[in-house]
Amino acid sequence: AQSVAQPEDQVNVAEGNPLTVKCTYSVSGNPYLFWYVQYPNRGLQFLLKYITGDNLVKGSYGFEAEFNKSQTSFHLKKPSALVSDSALYFCAVRDIGGNNRLAFGKGNQVVVIP
Amino acid sequence: EPEVTQTPSHQVTQMGQEVILRCVPISNHLYFYWYRQILGQKVEFLVSFYNNEISEKSEIFDDQFSVERPDGSNFTLKIRSTKLEDSAMYFCASSALRQEAFFGQGTRLTVV
Repeated sequence: AQSVAQPEDQVNVAEGNPLTVKCTYSVSGNPYLFWYVQYPNRGLQFLLKYITGDNLVKGSYGFEAEFNKSQTSFHLKKPSALVSDSALYFCAVRDIGGNNRLAFGKGNQVVVIP
Repeated sequence: EPEVTQTPSHQVTQMGQEVILRCVPISNHLYFYWYRQILGQKVEFLVSFYNNEISEKSEIFDDQFSVERPDGSNFTLKIRSTKLEDSAMYFCASSALRQEAFFGQGTRLTVV
């Protein structure tokens, strides 16, 4: 069964500094990988995905993520964080050869300090 | 931009009562899902639905749960006899084949 680990509970970063949110995954086959963001009292908003091709994928709001197969990681990054990036970030994985079920990590609270 | 819509946004119900959570998926999507998020915990898969039948369900989705697509647009989750531990945020989602899932705003279910 697929699973995701997001090792940190909270990530604090000063506005303007680089932001990294870590994610490692486990699947039996090849992965589809996703990042979602959740603002308070809102649903999950899609940020970006890796399906195949270039290991560096770019998404909404200046976010990007790098797929690293050898380390089974898919860390989310943003070169310069904004206060408005403060939210809960979820990494998710799906097995390409399997069903459509998404397995989510526990989420990371990102706090961008002005 | 097309979006998944869910109603109601908040539902309070007494333990033992039946509830129906409603969702309107994105119109050209073929795969539909329900997930839930208990306060402070991770998002958990409940069920996926394709071609008018359940394609997969988790161990959470027991006999108290059912899903239905009663017409061409709605997708519902019914909990037959609610328990306190069913209190959670319930998210509906839809997707095209092998594409990302789009989530609704969620229904906060409170069982008292």
